[in-house]
Amino acid sequence: GIQVEQSPPDLILQEGANSTLRCNFSDSVNNLQWFHQNPWGQLINLFYIPSGTKQNGRLSATTVATERYSLLYISSSQTTDSGVYFCAVEPTAGTASKLTFGTGTRLQVTL
Amino acid sequence: NAGVTQTPKFRVLKTGQSMTLLCAQDMNHEYMYWYRQDPGMGLRLIHYSVGEGTTAKGEVPDGYNVSRLKKQNFLLGLESAAPSQTSVYFCASTSYNEQFFGPGTRLTVL
Repeated sequence: GIQVEQSPPDLILQEGANSTLRCNFSDSVNNLQWFHQNPWGQLINLFYIPSGTKQNGRLSATTVATERYSLLYISSSQTTDSGVYFCAVEPTAGTASKLTFGTGTRLQVTL
Repeated sequence: NAGVTQTPKFRVLKTGQSMTLLCAQDMNHEYMYWYRQDPGMGLRLIHYSVGEGTTAKGEVPDGYNVSRLKKQNFLLGLESAAPSQTSVYFCASTSYNEQFFGPGTRLTVL
C-alpha cells in the first residue's frame, strides 16, 4: 500500500517562531488532508489539499502532487498550536475515500 | 449540527467481554469509517461503509464487526475483547473528499 512519511517526528518551538512540517507519500494521490490532534485527543481538519496552496490565518499548506510531497507552514506559533499534526492521503487508485495516515509530527510550543 | 458523535467516551472491559461502540453523523454522509489509534502511531482503518447496509474490511479488521443499518449510524462491535484492543477508537464520515472525525472513545481491556 501507499507509504506516508512525516518529518520531523518531534519539534519544539518558542512562541512566535515559524515552522515547516513535511509529508512525503509514495504514490499519486487524489486526496490529502492535514489534521491537528490537540492535547485532548480531538482531530481537527486543517486542510483538504490534494494539490496547490491554501491559507487559513497563520497556517498554510502546499502540495506538489507531481513530486509527492506536502508542506504545512505554521507562522508565529502559539502555545495552542501544540499537539500532533497528521498528514493523511488516499491513493489515486484507491476506493471509498479511505485514508492512510502518517505517524505524525509532535509539536510543542513553549513560552 | 453536531457533526460526528461517539458513544461512549470511555470504557473499561475485562478480557472476553463484549461491547458496541456507536457512531452517529448528521451530515447525510454516505461513507463512514472506524479507525484505531495506538500510542505514537497514526490512525489505522478497521472497517468502513460506503452506504446504508454495506460494510467492508480495512487494514486491521480482525476481532471487530460492524453494522450500518441506518445511514446516520455506524456500529463497531467487539465480541470477545482482548488486551491488544486497548486503544482509542475514532469514527469518521465523508461525502466524498474531507473526512470529519468524532471525539474518540478510549477503550481499556484488562
